[in-house]
Amino acid sequence: DAMVIQNPRYQVTQFGKPVTLSCSQTLNHNVMYWYQQKSSQAPKLLFHYYDKDFNNEADTPDNFQSRRPNTSFCFLDIRSPGLGDAAMYLCATSRDLAGETQYFGPGTRLLVL
Amino acid sequence: GENVEQHPSTLSVQEGDSAVIKCTYSDSASNYFPWYKQELGKRPQLIIDIRSNVGEKKDQRIAVTLNKTAKHFSLHITETQPEDSAVYFCAANYGQNFVFGPGTRLSVLP
Repeated sequence: DAMVIQNPRYQVTQFGKPVTLSCSQTLNHNVMYWYQQKSSQAPKLLFHYYDKDFNNEADTPDNFQSRRPNTSFCFLDIRSPGLGDAAMYLCATSRDLAGETQYFGPGTRLLVL
Repeated sequence: GENVEQHPSTLSVQEGDSAVIKCTYSDSASNYFPWYKQELGKRPQLIIDIRSNVGEKKDQRIAVTLNKTAKHFSLHITETQPEDSAVYFCAANYGQNFVFGPGTRLSVLP
């Protein structure tokens, strides 16, 4: 049974056209993360939510925003996608912070034309 | 901040041989070290983890060792099989988050 679900699995957008990726979880975890992963590289953390508290990584571009309307759902908004934003976007959850296992969703592969 | 190094970046072994991947971390406060396996086009999947209060943990063909003094931890896979071929990432917790190593591409040759 899927525990961390991401939709869509593949997303094609145009340069500069806003796009939203979604993530949902059935684990009732407090923490939800968004990672960007480019080919042959490690996942790079963009931000995370601990419950409703938003925590942005210092080097995450302003072009990336996130919303968490409730415990189960979290969205990644890319306001003006550039060619360099083409990547796999991974959502992950953990029960708590500081040393808790993270469970990843299947990812959304974003293509920017 | 935390820095996690991982070696080797690529590793090829014959089926049935063992594979060892090593990681080092810089923050002595790190106390949780997971290992993830990522097959092509799929999500990272946790395969084993270790906390700083133990030195070794084993799960069938997979084991992880931790040397807190040296800030080293290693993944050991015995009796490798072709389905072990994937990219493996180590990670260490840092504050509220994780820092991942750059990954090791393991190829198990039949």
